[in-house]
Amino acid sequence: NAGVTQTPKFRILKIGQSMTLQCTQDMNHNYMYWYRQDPGMGLKLIYYSVGAGITDKGEVPNGYNVSRSTTEDFPLRLELAAPSQTSVYFCASSHRTSGGYNEQFFGPGTRLTVL
Amino acid sequence: KNQVEQSPQSLIILEGKNCTLQCNYTVSPFSNLRWYKQDTGRGPVSLTIMTFSENTKSNGRYTATLDADTKQSSLHITASQLSDSASYICVVSSGGGNKLTFGTGTQLKVEL
Repeated sequence: NAGVTQTPKFRILKIGQSMTLQCTQDMNHNYMYWYRQDPGMGLKLIYYSVGAGITDKGEVPNGYNVSRSTTEDFPLRLELAAPSQTSVYFCASSHRTSGGYNEQFFGPGTRLTVL
Repeated sequence: KNQVEQSPQSLIILEGKNCTLQCNYTVSPFSNLRWYKQDTGRGPVSLTIMTFSENTKSNGRYTATLDADTKQSSLHITASQLSDSASYICVVSSGGGNKLTFGTGTQLKVEL
């Protein structure tokens, strides 16, 4: 199993450009998440999904959109890139287990710079 | 507001030595507490997960403790190795386990 994969690994965008960060998991997990990690800060949840066709906002959703058409894929869309969106983006997935453990497995991250 | 605070912010130790990282949290309702290891340029990897009824949990040379009364946790690393150099992140979950509050991490460097 590849686990959680993310593409691209690095990207530089100009202000106002748009792009889609790809995330795929092969563990048949129902839950998927997008986080951003800024220097010196804890990870912040952007959006999450509890299953195909269901998405919900996290703590910092402004400027982003998501879709979940399949169990495997959970792309994150930036429509009008801004310098404040310069960050490292992590996708994660989990399978709901008893006791609420639902351990989250993270992808390797996408480092995005907006200039 | 849910918060997770970690100390120290950074730590340098010699290979073979032990160290303890601290985590204090104010998260409600509490579901479980996790410690993650994040190597530079990689995603976080889970080390331990503990519910309020678990006081101690080990994963090889990593031992996590939890005091749910004082809302404190620690991660003890025994006989450190160069490969232990990483950021260690304390994460507390609430609301059934899906809502996570992340600490800012302790940056550990192990030197020869």
